[in-house]
Parts: sequence; C-alpha cells; structure tokens
Amino acid sequence: DTGVSQDPRHKITKRGQNVTFRCDPISEHNRLYWYRQTLGQGPEFLTYFQNEAQLEKSRLLSDRFSAERPKGSFSTLEIQRTEQGDSAMYLCASSLILSYNEQFFGPGTRLTVL
Amino acid sequence: DQQVKQNSPSLSVQEGRISILNCDYTNSMFDYFLWYKKYPAEGPTFLISISSIKDKNEDGRFTVFLNKSAKHLSLHIVPSQPGDSAVYFCAASVVDGNKLVFGAGTILRVKS
Repeated sequence: DTGVSQDPRHKITKRGQNVTFRCDPISEHNRLYWYRQTLGQGPEFLTYFQNEAQLEKSRLLSDRFSAERPKGSFSTLEIQRTEQGDSAMYLCASSLILSYNEQFFGPGTRLTVL
Repeated sequence: DQQVKQNSPSLSVQEGRISILNCDYTNSMFDYFLWYKKYPAEGPTFLISISSIKDKNEDGRFTVFLNKSAKHLSLHIVPSQPGDSAVYFCAASVVDGNKLVFGAGTILRVKS
C-alpha cells in the first residue's frame, strides 16, 4: 500500500500527558499537511510542510502543539500537556507542490484525552 | 466563521435515484472546489473537483456544478448505489492556497 499512513490509529491518554503521532506521506509528495477533525465537523487545517520547512501554522495550533518533518519525509505531531479539548481525529495529508489542491489523506489518529 | 457550509446534515436516497448534495461558501477568493467522501474509520478520499473557471465537471456517475454568482456548488450522483453511503465533505481553497477549508459534511444513505 503506497498511500498515506498514520501511527497510532488510536491513542487514549490522561490529561496532562504528552502524545506524539507519526505520519508517513506518499513517497514522492513534497507537501504534508496536518488537520484536526472533531465530531460533527469537517477537517480543520493545523499546519503544513513543504519538504522539511514548516510554512504555515493555524491559530488552532497552540504553543502546546509542535510539528516536525526533519528530513522532508515523515512528520510527527506532538501535543504537550494534553487537555480534554484536544480529543479529536488528527488527519495527515500529502500532495505534490504542483497539485497542492489534491490532497491525499491518511486514516487518521483518534486521540481521546481522559 | 464558517466559510464553507453544508446545511443538510444528512440525506437519504433510494438506490438508482439521484443524490444531490449542496454546499455554499462565503469567501469570494475561493477558486478551487473539491468533494471528498469518507467512510467510517478511514480518511477522506478525493472524489471530484472543479476550478472556478468552469461551471460543471463530470466523472462517471459524479457531476459537480458551480454557480459562482450564488456562491453555491452541488454534487450529483446518478444513479446512486448503496456503496455510495458515506459522509461527503465539500472543500475549497484560494489561489496559491496551501490549505483546504472544509464544510461540516453531509451523511448520505442510499437505501436498497
């Protein structure tokens, strides 16, 4: 399977703990995006990378959130001191630069903060 | 503020009939529109798109119509099949934009 993969698929944590999610994009895609989806809503943009550079961050991405894409391949999204309001589906997507509108999504990581 | 709105949370259609899903937007800078389909426990899957320079795009059973003056687009599925049952998201982006803005989604149920 050469699609976008995410790990883990599910994460349950206690409030105040740190969590880290991983995304592996489609191999030739130079853009990588993170979105968050809460119940009853569509995905909301968090941040995106072009190769290893993080080029845009949403206001939704508080100081407790950090994302990296160190070698321009996989990416990690870390949430520090999790809060119950962080419970959501975290989606990763990737695209080619010239086809930036056509983003291919992974299956997501569902985070539950108790 | 919600720039992309899907006002119908759900739609139920008989197999073989037409499904029409609607989407309204407020940002006149949007120049590209997409529809994604999402099954439970999977990520959204790209379905069809349309540029603002067109008013119609067709791909097999799926057709998207864009009415720029009304800031409205719709997705037509003909004929509808039970396998089309999913959540459908409308999304939009601006020129040289780097993110998609999604609506809240419409749950489509196709009854056999």
